[in-house]
Amino acid sequence: GAGVSQSPRYKVAKRGQDVALRCDPISGHVSLFWYQQALGQGPEFLTYFQNEAQLDKSGLPSDRFFAERPEGSVSTLKIQRTQQEDSAVYLCASSLIRTPPPNRDRGRDEQFFGPGTRLTVL
Amino acid sequence: DAKTTQPPSMDCAEGRAANLPCNHSTISGNEYVYWYRQIHSQGPQYIIHGLKNNETNEMASLIITEDRKSSTLILPHATLRDTAVYYCIVRVVWSYGKLTFGQGTILTVHP
Repeated sequence: GAGVSQSPRYKVAKRGQDVALRCDPISGHVSLFWYQQALGQGPEFLTYFQNEAQLDKSGLPSDRFFAERPEGSVSTLKIQRTQQEDSAVYLCASSLIRTPPPNRDRGRDEQFFGPGTRLTVL
Repeated sequence: DAKTTQPPSMDCAEGRAANLPCNHSTISGNEYVYWYRQIHSQGPQYIIHGLKNNETNEMASLIITEDRKSSTLILPHATLRDTAVYYCIVRVVWSYGKLTFGQGTILTVHP
């Protein structure tokens, strides 16, 4: 079956431009996560959705970052007035069950990641 | 979530077992150990997870010490396609679902 897809795969933006990154999670997956991965580092959490509700946005680095998932499926991460330090790979992940999971599903909330969008800000 | 410590890099010969260690000495009783890996230019991929018992699936085995302060991921017959960064993550399952990645271990499988 289809996995998590992200588009575009590569994006080059001039400093100050706005960008929008799209994530198509696996159909039926309740939870959706965005992560940012700088070169040579592990991914870092940005924000989390359970269906259409954004339950945690504590990892968003500034108010220039905004994410939405209006119908509980596709999600968009928007970055306004991009800066060079925004250059990174942006990863989207989805999981089938909600978090925290019910008792019977403890530990089964594996996340499926997309290939990422590599953003380069010049 | 507890902090994990992994060696920055390891080598393994193709066909041999790769044993990747992880230290999580501050792990608490309600935390699971998860392993993910990230092949170059791809998103991370779930491998296996466990609480206190050893676990095995089609990809790997996870050995957790009795005191739960460390674990080892075992790839029984490493192939060139197993070359990747391997992340050991400790997480309270019934808390928030986000994953906290460290630096991971770069595993290089040689012919």
